[in-house]
Amino acid sequence: GENVEQHPSTLSVQEGDSAVIKCTYSDSASNYFPWYKQELGKGPQLIIDIRSNVGEKKDQRIAVTLNKTAKHFSLHITETQPEDSAVYFCAAQGGKLIFGQGTELSVKP
Amino acid sequence: NAGVMQNPRHLVRRRGQEARLRCSPMKGHSHVYWYRQLPEEGLKFMVYLQKENIIDESGMPKERFSAEFPKEGPSILRIQQVVRGDSAAYFCASSRNRDPSSYNEQFFGPGTRLTVL
Repeated sequence: GENVEQHPSTLSVQEGDSAVIKCTYSDSASNYFPWYKQELGKGPQLIIDIRSNVGEKKDQRIAVTLNKTAKHFSLHITETQPEDSAVYFCAAQGGKLIFGQGTELSVKP
Repeated sequence: NAGVMQNPRHLVRRRGQEARLRCSPMKGHSHVYWYRQLPEEGLKFMVYLQKENIIDESGMPKERFSAEFPKEGPSILRIQQVVRGDSAAYFCASSRNRDPSSYNEQFFGPGTRLTVL
């Protein structure tokens, strides 16, 4: 069935460093790839998304890349700050929205 | 400009009782989705509804779970005869449209955390 694999499950970086989270998906019909940030006790918040006809998208310190041939997509956060600490989820949508398992990002001051 | 509303935020039930979770979509949104999140896991799709219609319930357990989105009022996720394994966070999301050729940004509510004793 449809599946999204996300790595790493935990990521610890120093403030100011970059963080990269990678996902692979199985459903070749997927055409929409959102990324969500979830803080403790809250619902997921959309931070950036990318469509299948685009290879890269940037929004300030956040960028996403998509390789449809390899079925890979990645989230890049530059100049990390302590408030970036949260759980990040990738997702892929062909029909249903299928989520990855999440990455717990910790940014140490 | 209120977002997706869910209540209650926390719900405690004893085994065998019923749980009712409510979701009010964002203004102007007519599509509702329910997801379940177990501790330290991703969100799992349960059901997708439009007003008065269940569109996709492929993620719903076959027994004890049901969902509705009536013409008036919030969407309801109902769990009958709860068991300890039902303990989880249940999230609702809404979107404006559901055109298969379009992209459907989903906005999530804060979730209901269900604990079954």
